[in-house]
Amino acid sequence: DSGVTQTPKHLITATGQRVTLRCSPRSGDLSVYWYQQSLDQGLQFLIQYYNGEERAKGNILERFSAQQVPDLHSELNLSSLELGDSALYFCASSVEASGAVYEQYFGPGTRLTVT
Amino acid sequence: AQSVTQLDSHVSVSEGTPVLLRCNYSSSYSPSLFWYVQHPNKGLQLLLKYTSAATLVKGINGFEAEFKKSETSFHLTKPSAHMSDAAEYFCVVSDYSAGTASKLTFGTGTRLQVTL
Repeated sequence: DSGVTQTPKHLITATGQRVTLRCSPRSGDLSVYWYQQSLDQGLQFLIQYYNGEERAKGNILERFSAQQVPDLHSELNLSSLELGDSALYFCASSVEASGAVYEQYFGPGTRLTVT
Repeated sequence: AQSVTQLDSHVSVSEGTPVLLRCNYSSSYSPSLFWYVQHPNKGLQLLLKYTSAATLVKGINGFEAEFKKSETSFHLTKPSAHMSDAAEYFCVVSDYSAGTASKLTFGTGTRLQVTL
């Protein structure tokens, strides 16, 4: 158990809908990262938040957005869903102090199926 | 820009024989390197990490990896495979330079199959 929790575990929704994925980082970790894992694209970095502020952006679509609230848990919002958005979405957290690279600890993921 | 290449998409070994999963990296700076494992329908678990200390890194479950700068490689090894090692393995590189956030770049993964 990594200490990172994600809800829900599975989500099935229709095209055009909007969903919110939630993540609680490990206790003490200030950085939260979101990744998308699909068969055709592999594991892709979406976005990072550090202590409530956006820190880095990867291959995140404009239809997707994220936030990190004061208690440091994070939400990934996916809107106008398309079939191609079906994937496993992972949240990870790390200490992420400046001046060093820290390993990231991954949650169990949310499997999103868009029908 | 950083990148990582996992040279084999699939590796099959017999139980009790050595495991070698190959990884080459490209990095503009002094990289940090990681190996993660993903069992079916599970999240990613950190196996080991290299962050410019000892070049031979020992991880969990008997795995180790050696950082070779001259070869830009970070291959993962285990002396004796166990059935429970069957999983997907990801080699990961992270660059850090002052003023930027550290970002992980994942390889495409190597599926390890362990047979009796």
